[in-house]
Amino acid sequence: NAGVMQNPRHLVRRRGQEARLRCSPMKGHSHVYWYRQLPEEGLKFMVYLQKENIIDESGMPKERFSAEFPKEGPSILRIQQVVRGDSAAYFCASSPKDRDNSPLHFGNGTRLTVT
Amino acid sequence: DAKTTQPPSMDCAEGRAANLPCNHSTISGNEYVYWYRQIHSQGPQYIIHGLKNNETNEMASLIITEDRKSSTLILPHATLRDTAVYYCIVRPTGRGQNFVFGPGTRLSVLP
Repeated sequence: NAGVMQNPRHLVRRRGQEARLRCSPMKGHSHVYWYRQLPEEGLKFMVYLQKENIIDESGMPKERFSAEFPKEGPSILRIQQVVRGDSAAYFCASSPKDRDNSPLHFGNGTRLTVT
Repeated sequence: DAKTTQPPSMDCAEGRAANLPCNHSTISGNEYVYWYRQIHSQGPQYIIHGLKNNETNEMASLIITEDRKSSTLILPHATLRDTAVYYCIVRPTGRGQNFVFGPGTRLSVLP
């Protein structure tokens, strides 16, 4: 049973470019979470999505960041006009259901470097 | 904000049991206790979770006090590969509840 798959593992972008990070949840999981980890800091929640719905985006920066989880295909975290402060590891996690105690299962992240 | 308090760091000798404490004095009745670890910037790895009974799996044991205000994660025979940051998280069941990570405990297993 494949785990949460994130790609690319490493992404380098110049300031002002766009970054697209992809996450394929575990089979049978319909809930996706995105977290960001700045260098030498803890994991910070960004957004929680179900298929075609954003449930909680309280951790998302107000500008330049967006996320989607379409009916078909992976979840996408999109960062427009990247700046150096966006350099971080971005982790995706998935769970099967919402109204229970299922743990999240994390991918190994995408490390974004903005030059 | 995280609802848990953990020591920032701990050492443990290889082969000995590692006992990692977590304080969650404001836990409410529908909140579970979860433990994760993160090894050298890999993705967080789920270890174990429980509500009020003690739990054990192939990785660890979770001991929750009767009043549920604290818990201990036990790695029975620590190895060098258990060196990681360990996170204790409380989370209620219910729609839209995300996991809030605190700074965790940095466990160093020493040879």
